[in-house]
Amino acid sequence: QVQLVQSGAEVKPPGSSVKVSCKASGGTFDSYAINWVRQAPGHGPEWMGGIIPIFGTPNYAQKFQGRVTLSADKSTRTAYMELSGLRSEDTAMYYCARNFLALSLVQPFDIWGQGTLVTVTA
Amino acid sequence: EIVLTQSPGTLSLSPGERATLSCRATQSVSSSDLGWYQQKPGQAPRLLIYEAVTRATGVPDRFSGSGSGTDFTLTISRLEPEDFAVYYCQQYGRSPLTFGGGTKVEIK
Repeated sequence: QVQLVQSGAEVKPPGSSVKVSCKASGGTFDSYAINWVRQAPGHGPEWMGGIIPIFGTPNYAQKFQGRVTLSADKSTRTAYMELSGLRSEDTAMYYCARNFLALSLVQPFDIWGQGTLVTVTA
Repeated sequence: EIVLTQSPGTLSLSPGERATLSCRATQSVSSSDLGWYQQKPGQAPRLLIYEAVTRATGVPDRFSGSGSGTDFTLTISRLEPEDFAVYYCQQYGRSPLTFGGGTKVEIK
């Protein structure tokens, strides 16, 4: 059974960057898209982008283009999300989530990490 | 961008009652690209329904999805205590993938 385990909570000052990791255990890693979704308190989820590790080319939501960098390390089965230029509105829970079927970005998300709380504060 | 609007915002019902949740899209969504998630406090969302009508593994058959085009519905036939949660629809066919704002199903 595949599990996604994310790195711990972060507190960052405005203008800085944060990098969150998502390590997969069990199952296949390379051929399933890993997506990043954030959720601000009291709001619905918001998709930031996704990456299929075997291909390595990320697909970003336009809203985050230029501020977010997704990557994946096949050797350690770990995906990363780095968000730069942090502002208070970026305070949210950040989730990684795996696609239901392999080799496609057009899929629902059936396996989720536990979430990483990122707080942006001076 | 496809915007998904969910209604009502909150549904107050008693255990055993039927819940009907709506998700309306600003553009037509292929039925194969519409899903529903359940989220409980402090937890990540859980996939319930994909392709508009197909239950994910382990999801009880009291949950059902329907709809096409711009109007989709999640129905819970008889609410169990563990069903009180927030529900989100998602379209995953066109980038950016988008979620609705959610419907909270609370105990009356």
